[in-house]
Amino acid sequence: EPEVTQTPSHQVTQMGQEVILRCVPISNHLYFYWYRQILGQKVEFLVSFYNNEISEKSEIFDDQFSVERPDGSNFTLKIRSTKLEDSAMYFCASSPGTYNSPLHFGNGTRLTVT
Amino acid sequence: AQKVTQAQTEISVVEKEDVTLDCVYETRDTTYYLFWYKQPPSGELVFLIRRNSFDEQNEISGRYSWNFQKSTSSFNFTITASQVVDSAVYFCALSERGGYSGGSNYKLTFGKGTLLTVNP
Repeated sequence: EPEVTQTPSHQVTQMGQEVILRCVPISNHLYFYWYRQILGQKVEFLVSFYNNEISEKSEIFDDQFSVERPDGSNFTLKIRSTKLEDSAMYFCASSPGTYNSPLHFGNGTRLTVT
Repeated sequence: AQKVTQAQTEISVVEKEDVTLDCVYETRDTTYYLFWYKQPPSGELVFLIRRNSFDEQNEISGRYSWNFQKSTSSFNFTITASQVVDSAVYFCALSERGGYSGGSNYKLTFGKGTLLTVNP
């Protein structure tokens, strides 16, 4: 069964550094998402992306965050200047966009900001 | 605003017991979707079920069953004859359908999760 793939599985960075989290959604999917889970807390919506533009974003998704689909397969989340509170598990997800279609999550990237 | 409440923070059972995980939701939308995800200790989110607001039929899949009751805004999840491998955090989630582009844009609101521990 096709999967959403995320790399790296774990990234450690210093405060103030830029990070790029990478995702390869399922190939025929049209909608792409990033979610975040701070350790021990619930999963929170960050942003959705459709037709090469952001379709919706949460209050968490401020100017420090950006998303891009640089080619036909990758979907990236960039954090410009990381803060300690950005430490979390970041999940990428995709969906086909058809009625009754499920939402598939990747295995996540654990970001640790020191 | 949408809200999902999973009142049970932790549940511990012995193998082969049945266990029900509760989920109560709030939304003003008439069209919405409800989900259950499993998060094992390895951390990934495993999709279990999706149900739309027009389909109140209960569903059974192997040892799993779901009870959707619109009248009480609940979407409870039962595991029959639990096994040690069922130990995980289980999340209930709610999504309105829409977004700027409409269609199947899933902005999910998750509950805080229920940690299920199944002991041998």
